[in-house]
Amino acid sequence: RKEVEQDPGPFNVPEGATVAFNCTYSNSASQSFFWYRQDCRKEPKLLMSVYSSGNEDGRFTAQLNRASQYISLLIRDSKLSDSATYLCVVNGGGGYSTLTFGKGTMLLVSP
Amino acid sequence: DGGITQSPKYLFRKEGQNVTLSCEQNLNHDAMYWYRQDPGQGLRLIYYSQIVNDFQKGDIAEGYSVSREKKESFPLTVTSAQKNPTAFYLCASSIATTNEKLFFGSGTQLSVL
Repeated sequence: RKEVEQDPGPFNVPEGATVAFNCTYSNSASQSFFWYRQDCRKEPKLLMSVYSSGNEDGRFTAQLNRASQYISLLIRDSKLSDSATYLCVVNGGGGYSTLTFGKGTMLLVSP
Repeated sequence: DGGITQSPKYLFRKEGQNVTLSCEQNLNHDAMYWYRQDPGQGLRLIYYSQIVNDFQKGDIAEGYSVSREKKESFPLTVTSAQKNPTAFYLCASSIATTNEKLFFGSGTQLSVL
């Protein structure tokens, strides 16, 4: 199983800050990419799928760089409620069974 | 409301004991999965099922067993052969195994007494 590596955390930022997370993947055959959010001792929830052209959902922007094999998540105007662990998930090209989860990057937003 | 229900939320296992974690979904999803999460680690796939009466081993199936007798239910048994069972267990489902968008249950924390 190829690996997915994320920025080590935690990231401590004040409210209103912009923060970016990076994730690299080693399997060049990967076709699908996702960001999940996980609150402490809770289940992960899908935040965004990541498309080749990049995509934006409100304060969140995800980008994919296939040549360099990394994806990123940008959060603008951070809110206290954004505090969570962000999981990078990559599909190795073989459907659900090849989903590889990164270890996650923790974000702590302070007042 | 549709969703996935896991129970119990916390579970304790004695040495040599088998324990069963429950997972029920009313989303009418065909595919169901069990993942294990250890502190500071990514999720790892234990077993998955594409359809009733069928299931496949994931990356870390040793010491675990599952059944899929009903579409809604996918229980996981942690057997005494699993020597390091302490972890957070997450059940998930998706419309089909070709659909990668997972919906997770709220998890079961299993600890060894």
